Amino acid sequence: KAGVTQTPRYLIKTRGQQVTLSCSPISGHRSVSWYQQTPGQGLQFLFEYFSETQRNKGNFPGRFSGRQFSNSRSEMNVSTLELGDSALYLCASSFLQGPSTGELFFGEGSRLTVL
Amino acid sequence: ELKVEQNPLFLSMQEGKNYTIYCNYSTTSDRLYWYRQDPGKSLESLFVLLSNGAVKQEGRLMASLDTKARLSTLHITAAVHDLSATYFCAVLDMRFGAGTRLTVKP
Repeated sequence: KAGVTQTPRYLIKTRGQQVTLSCSPISGHRSVSWYQQTPGQGLQFLFEYFSETQRNKGNFPGRFSGRQFSNSRSEMNVSTLELGDSALYLCASSFLQGPSTGELFFGEGSRLTVL
Repeated sequence: ELKVEQNPLFLSMQEGKNYTIYCNYSTTSDRLYWYRQDPGKSLESLFVLLSNGAVKQEGRLMASLDTKARLSTLHITAAVHDLSATYFCAVLDMRFGAGTRLTVKP
């Protein structure tokens, strides 16, 4: 069974640009969550999607947005990049149907560097 | 606001010693998760604790949950170098603690 796949794995952008990150969940998983991980702030929740609907949102500015497609794949977008957006962005999928434990399965992450 | 607090944040242990990592959370949650992250890697699930009093063990790690005290513990027995990693706890809605960076020294 394939795991969670995130693309791209590494990318470098400059301030003011925008970036789109992609996440393909484990087959059958309909919930996708996004996290930002930085040395200073730790692991912060961005948002969660289930069946194409945003169910939860963390405390991030509107420059951070996401969406989920009918095949459960998800994208997140960050517009007008700032230096502080440099981070590892982690996507996680979860089954969340029936007797689910809610356990998260993480992808390898997309490491964004903003110059 | 939901808070998930782990302590200690940094832990340096000698091989063969025992220690406990604590995870306190501020809201009602009947389940709690522990994850491990190796340097430069992603997170992997260690334990899923689904009810009050739940205890799970894998190798030298044992996790427990007390929902009334809003406390989970991750106990390390006879630590070995391979356990060096950062350990995170998380509660419902997947809010994570700051992580405990564990270093096991020979």
